[in-house]
Formats: sequence, structure tokens, C-alpha cells
Amino acid sequence: GAGVSQSPSNKVTEKGKDVELRCDPISGHTALYWYRQRLGQGLEFLIYFQGNSAPDKSGLPSDRFSAERTGESVSTLTIQRTQQEDSAVYLCASSTQGAVTEAFFGQGTRLTVV
Amino acid sequence: SQQGEEDPQALSIQEGENATMNCSYKTSINNLQWYRQNSGRGLVHLILIRSNEREKHSGRLRVTLDTSKKSSSLLITASRAADTASYFCATAYGEYGNKLVFGAGTILRVKS
Repeated sequence: GAGVSQSPSNKVTEKGKDVELRCDPISGHTALYWYRQRLGQGLEFLIYFQGNSAPDKSGLPSDRFSAERTGESVSTLTIQRTQQEDSAVYLCASSTQGAVTEAFFGQGTRLTVV
Repeated sequence: SQQGEEDPQALSIQEGENATMNCSYKTSINNLQWYRQNSGRGLVHLILIRSNEREKHSGRLRVTLDTSKKSSSLLITASRAADTASYFCATAYGEYGNKLVFGAGTILRVKS
């Protein structure tokens, strides 16, 4: 596709359920980022993938959060046993050379935990 | 935290005026980037300034970088109502300069 695609656009889930969020980066982009943005706040770094290197997971807030990426393609962010505090917009971005070049963002997934 | 800190948190100006937003950061960086966000969803890249650059222009945007003070400023000249958005600075740091970390942002409102 022409840009970064995220799905679903919106997700409402019950507390305690697991959710999986998907990100399709721009073809050829080796770097992929996940961020969390709570209402009215800035972007909180979660995880970074660069090609086949080990991901930088330093921003994952707890072991309920995990993410995978196969090669330079699709990435999934999984949140297990969701809590109300997980409610936020989850943004994905990709770039050609990590943070050396501009990042292109998807429209995000708005997660609401009820 | 490695995040940049923007100020002011919010800025309200009249159409035609200039808007200045500032960003400070804590550690050595590879580059600093500015992004705009409308309606709380995807961000759009505005401009990237490398650590060895001091000033950069793009249309009505002017960005400066002072690495000695660990700060940057974004100036939007002749603002328009369409410039109303949140503006974020992002710093690239780390061993390979690949970790892109964002500040809390400045909310700009341009009144027509």
C-alpha cells in the first residue's frame, strides 16, 4: 500500500481479554516503531524493530505487552489480560533507515478497555 | 527519561501571527525531528535537522538547533487556521541513532 496501515481502527474489549493490533509498514521500510498515546498526552515509545536485528523492547510497560515482526513485513502488538489503563491510541510508524530518516505513521488503533 | 520537552504546552494566536515552539532534550542526539498531529491520530513529518546543522527552512517553517543548550525551536510564520494542531519534537539517539523518542507536544490553536 501507499502508506502505513493499522488495523483495527477501533477496538473495544473487556478487561482481562487479550487483544492483537496489526501494523502493515510501507514496503521496503526496514524500521518499525510502536507507540502508545494516552488522551491528551505525548507518544510513549514501546518497541522498535530494525531489519533482522534484535528488537529494542525497552519501552514495553509490562510483560503483558509483546510484539512480533517477521522480517521487514507485518508487525503485531499483543496485549494480554487488558486493563483499563491500557486504553489509548496505539500508533505504528515505519522508516527506511530507522531514526536517521523521517518516520511515516499509520492512523493508529484506538483501544478502549471497558 | 530521554524525551524532549516542549514548551509552551499550549499556544493560541491570531491568524497571520508567528508561532514559536521550543523543545529541550537531555542527551546527545543524532538528529531532531518535528511532527504535526491533527485530531489525535497519525503524525506527519515536518522537518529533520541533523546534529551538525544549526538552522533549516521548509516553506513557512524554520527550525533551529542549539546542541550546546540541547534545545530546538520551531517557528511557523504567517500562521493559518489550518496550522491548528499538536506539534511534537522527536529526538533520535542511541548507539545506532535509531531510537526515535517524542516529547509531550505543544497544542497550537490559530484563530481566524
